Amino acid sequence: DGGITQSPKYLFRKEGQNVTLSCEQNLNHDAMYWYRQDPGQGLRLIYYSQIVNDFQKGDIAEGYSVSREKKESFPLTVTSAQKNPTAFYLCASSIWPFGGQPQHFGDGTRLSIL
Amino acid sequence: AQKITQTQPGMFVQEKEAVTLDCTYDTSDQSYGLFWYKQPSSGEMIFLIYQGSYDEQNATEGRYSLNFQKARKSANLVISASQLGDSAMYFCAMREDDGGTSYGKLTFGQGTILTVHP
Repeated sequence: DGGITQSPKYLFRKEGQNVTLSCEQNLNHDAMYWYRQDPGQGLRLIYYSQIVNDFQKGDIAEGYSVSREKKESFPLTVTSAQKNPTAFYLCASSIWPFGGQPQHFGDGTRLSIL
Repeated sequence: AQKITQTQPGMFVQEKEAVTLDCTYDTSDQSYGLFWYKQPSSGEMIFLIYQGSYDEQNATEGRYSLNFQKARKSANLVISASQLGDSAMYFCAMREDDGGTSYGKLTFGQGTILTVHP
């Protein structure tokens, strides 16, 4: 079955530590996205990418970094500069051109501070 | 400026009744898309329905329909014959189709928690 796989499901970060969240898709989608969701809130865009080796900052990129070395993969690193990283992180992908196609989401990673 | 507004933090509905979840949006683009997603307590985002700004008919998908009023910039979700499994958070989202420069990114509202009572 095609889909988006996020791992791990739960992640704990120590102070001063960088952690990387994995996102892999086998939908052959060009565009990929990372969102952050705080409890009881909507999703906010962290980074997005339309093609390999190209990505753009979203609304809340500070303290995060990404890479897009392969079409299928879009890992997100939460750096020590992100002072409040506790949140639910969702990865999504979309076919291009977009038309009526929705973004497809992974099951998310819950990140907490130890 | 907030682009997507969902004014109902929580809604309650009796099983088998219909319910409307409100969504208003703000954009200066002529071409855009509106989406509704369902998020159960487990966290995954489930796509429900899409409405394009040039679509003249309101979108429908099974028990879901979208009441699209372009002049009012509203895109309300109607769920008919509510079921207990409909209890979840519901998000309205917009994609501005400005020649592709927005890369298809979505702007989400704050969400509405729907509780279906037996």
